[in-house]
Amino acid sequence: EPEVTQTPSHQVTQMGQEVILRCVPISNHLYFYWYRQILGQKVEFLVSFYNNEISEKSEIFDDQFSVERPDGSNFTLKIRSTKLEDSAMYFCASSVGPTTNEKLFFGSGTQLSVL
Amino acid sequence: GNSVTQMEGPVTLSEEAFLTINCTYTATGYPSLFWYVQYPGEGLQLLLKATKADDKGSNKGFEATYRKETTSFHLEKGSVQVSDSAVYFCALRGGTSYDKVIFGPGTSLSVIP
Repeated sequence: EPEVTQTPSHQVTQMGQEVILRCVPISNHLYFYWYRQILGQKVEFLVSFYNNEISEKSEIFDDQFSVERPDGSNFTLKIRSTKLEDSAMYFCASSVGPTTNEKLFFGSGTQLSVL
Repeated sequence: GNSVTQMEGPVTLSEEAFLTINCTYTATGYPSLFWYVQYPGEGLQLLLKATKADDKGSNKGFEATYRKETTSFHLEKGSVQVSDSAVYFCALRGGTSYDKVIFGPGTSLSVIP
């Protein structure tokens, strides 16, 4: 089965630093997502992206966050100035389309630790 | 808005016991319903799904039936194994949430020999 690939698997950074989390969605997918999961808590939606623009974002996705699809294969999440509370597992996901019966394919996640 | 509620965990069962994890949802329209599983140290994997009322999703011995009248999608398995130990997330897509998937809080399952 095709896979969503995320790198790195672990990222450690100092508070205030910028981080970029990278994802390679499945090649024929058109809809891309970022979710996060703080340790022991629920999986939270951050942002959805289609046709090179954000289609929806949550309250968590403030001005410190941005997403980009810099080329035909990568999808990145940037946190400009990390805070301690940004420490979480970040999941990228992709989907062929937006219809409700299509599943999201998730990557294995990037564990971000902000010190 | 849309939301998903699950029974609180953690749930601890002996091997070969019967499993039920309750899930109820709130949504307008006709969402699709999913169960995702997260094994220790891994990402999210789709376990099963149902896209319309009375559909039954099934996979690896797990089943869940989309009950619109009770807005529920309970996960069941007749005989759990140690390898089923994981966190299980009920989720929905559709209704007012358009294309994103909304997850419940997750239920941790531990199966002991």
